[in-house]
Amino acid sequence: EVQLVESGGGLVKPGGSLRLSCAASGFTFSRYIMNWVRQAPGKGLECVSSISNSSSDIYYADSVKGRFTISRDNAKNSLYLQMNSLRAEDTAVYYCARNFDYWGQGTLVTVSS
Amino acid sequence: DIVMTQTPLSSPVTLGQPASISCRSSQSLVHSDGDTYLSWLQQRPGQPPRLLIYKISNRFSGVPDRFSGSGAGTDFTLKISRVEAEDVGVYYCMQATQFPQTFGQGTKVEIK
Repeated sequence: EVQLVESGGGLVKPGGSLRLSCAASGFTFSRYIMNWVRQAPGKGLECVSSISNSSSDIYYADSVKGRFTISRDNAKNSLYLQMNSLRAEDTAVYYCARNFDYWGQGTLVTVSS
Repeated sequence: DIVMTQTPLSSPVTLGQPASISCRSSQSLVHSDGDTYLSWLQQRPGQPPRLLIYKISNRFSGVPDRFSGSGAGTDFTLKISRVEAEDVGVYYCMQATQFPQTFGQGTKVEIK
């Protein structure tokens, strides 16, 4: 069974940092593109970052470019999102998604003073 | 970026009746490999999104056959043949033909 479990969310002050993790199981992690998708309260879905299976290709939404860094460790079946210089508008549930066919339950990031 | 536009944004439906959601992309979603990477996702209240349909019309594993997808090029449709109570939620179309992957605004399906 494919499972994606996010962790690392929480309350952080503007300008602060957080590192999200996504633990994957039930499939060969190293074969798949992985994505971070966020959903602000009451809003729609936004893909903030994607990473190819070998980490050779990486995408960032303009809204997070220069502040967020995606990475993966295929040996540990894990995906990460380092988020720096956080802003109030980064407040959202962050989902880890495999190819958009399987999604985790999400982790809430709240940026507030 | 490819813009995905859904209509309607809200769809009140009677139980057992059909529902239909349209999605239009700002440019063709036909990939150079010949496939069209248009998907439909369902998000029930308080739940993460769930893939229903991929490549226009292919039902994902475990998806009931009352859900169907159709379309081509820039115009696509999701149909629910007979709405059940568990179908309440927000439905999103999504394109993965071109980076960045983009989503429609979402269509809220609710029971009248």
